[in-house]
Amino acid sequence: GENVEQHPSTLSVQEGDSAVIKCTYSDSASNYFPWYKQELGKRPQLIIDIRSNVGEKKDQRIAVTLNKTAKHFSLHITETQPEDSAVYFCAAIWETSGSRLTFGEGTQLTVNP
Amino acid sequence: ETGVTQTPRHLVMGMTNKKSLKCEQHLGHNAMYWYKQSAKKPLELMFVYNFKEQTENNSVPSRFSPECPNSSHLFLHLHTLQPEDSALYLCASSLNAGGYNEQFFGPGTRLTVL
Repeated sequence: GENVEQHPSTLSVQEGDSAVIKCTYSDSASNYFPWYKQELGKRPQLIIDIRSNVGEKKDQRIAVTLNKTAKHFSLHITETQPEDSAVYFCAAIWETSGSRLTFGEGTQLTVNP
Repeated sequence: ETGVTQTPRHLVMGMTNKKSLKCEQHLGHNAMYWYKQSAKKPLELMFVYNFKEQTENNSVPSRFSPECPNSSHLFLHLHTLQPEDSALYLCASSLNAGGYNEQFFGPGTRLTVL
């Protein structure tokens, strides 16, 4: 069935360090994987996404990698800044469910100055 | 951030009350969604509307009743809720229905059921 597991649930790093959040999915037919960021008290917003025809995508300090064989994808944030502190949600799309988005449980990232 | 608005932002209600949540999008989108966000749990899709027609009901209890009079407005009518229904209810819209389309979220309504 539809399932996205996200790890870790909390992550604390020092400013300037890198942060990595990993998600695994259960449906091998999934082919689109967005990441949403939700700052405290604010709405979730799309920050980056990747489709299954590529293995990596970068946007400045943020990158996402995808391993279709292992059915996992990861968010990488380099040179972290305090404003990166937020909850990050991964998601996967299930074609068999009307291309519905299924979200992971979220990772609370804290960047300590 | 005025693309998707939700009212009220906070709501406290008893289990016998009837209340409604309102969502409005000013982005010209055709699809609208209701999500439930509980602590320590993933965002749960509740309903999907595409061109004001309901296309998905994710096994939501009948005490939640959605209404979409047009592509810009979405309501969630609440009646005889349970304390476990307390959560943040997020509305979202996208250009077209389906997960491939970026979803734009509203600020949410924090619901507390006593």
